[in-house]
Amino acid sequence: DAKTTQPTSMDCAEGRAANLPCNHSTISGNEYVYWYRQIHSQGPQYIIHGLKNNETNEMASLIITEDRKSSTLILPHATLRDTAVYYCIVRETGGGNKLTFGTGTQLKVEL
Amino acid sequence: DVKVTQSSRYLVKRTGEKVFLECVQDMDHENMFWYRQDPGLGLRLIYFSYDVKMKEKGDIPEGYSVSREKKERFSLILESASTNQTSMYLCASAGLAGFQETQYFGPGTRLLVL
Repeated sequence: DAKTTQPTSMDCAEGRAANLPCNHSTISGNEYVYWYRQIHSQGPQYIIHGLKNNETNEMASLIITEDRKSSTLILPHATLRDTAVYYCIVRETGGGNKLTFGTGTQLKVEL
Repeated sequence: DVKVTQSSRYLVKRTGEKVFLECVQDMDHENMFWYRQDPGLGLRLIYFSYDVKMKEKGDIPEGYSVSREKKERFSLILESASTNQTSMYLCASAGLAGFQETQYFGPGTRLLVL
């Protein structure tokens, strides 16, 4: 059973904010929300993760709803190089736990 | 920055050959993982290791073995390559707890078995 639901694809104009939604209605209390992206033919790249508070780093911001059933990844100023498949993953704490990638959202950034 | 390197980006082998895929990480991470990625199937865990000489089967270990003789190196072995093992192979590493739990991936090895 999929733990997360994401739109299949999204388009964004270069320079605009890209807001990628993710639903994870069955998330449990000890599960983090992780975001990765994968540019064509490369390994997945870690972006950001959070438990219940909003998080921001040099790449993106993560907004998690108060009930934790959904989240949004925000790329504040998308560039052509941000074109990739974006994966939202929920995962229990513990470094030995595997990541389960769904089908993700194909983000296409255009001029 | 965490660096995970894989020995080859592209590899072509023949059916029945023994294939070694090497992965090295420079972050002193305890946990290392091998996944394969196929269209429509996402990433599937083959094996992982939580310490030197320790290994655990993942979801699809059949046809594969692994070796972890040193902390920084985790090898995936295809004992007798078959065409259904044509895939993208991804190595990842992670620490034990907290922020260190984040898995970092290598660039991947695209293997073609003829």
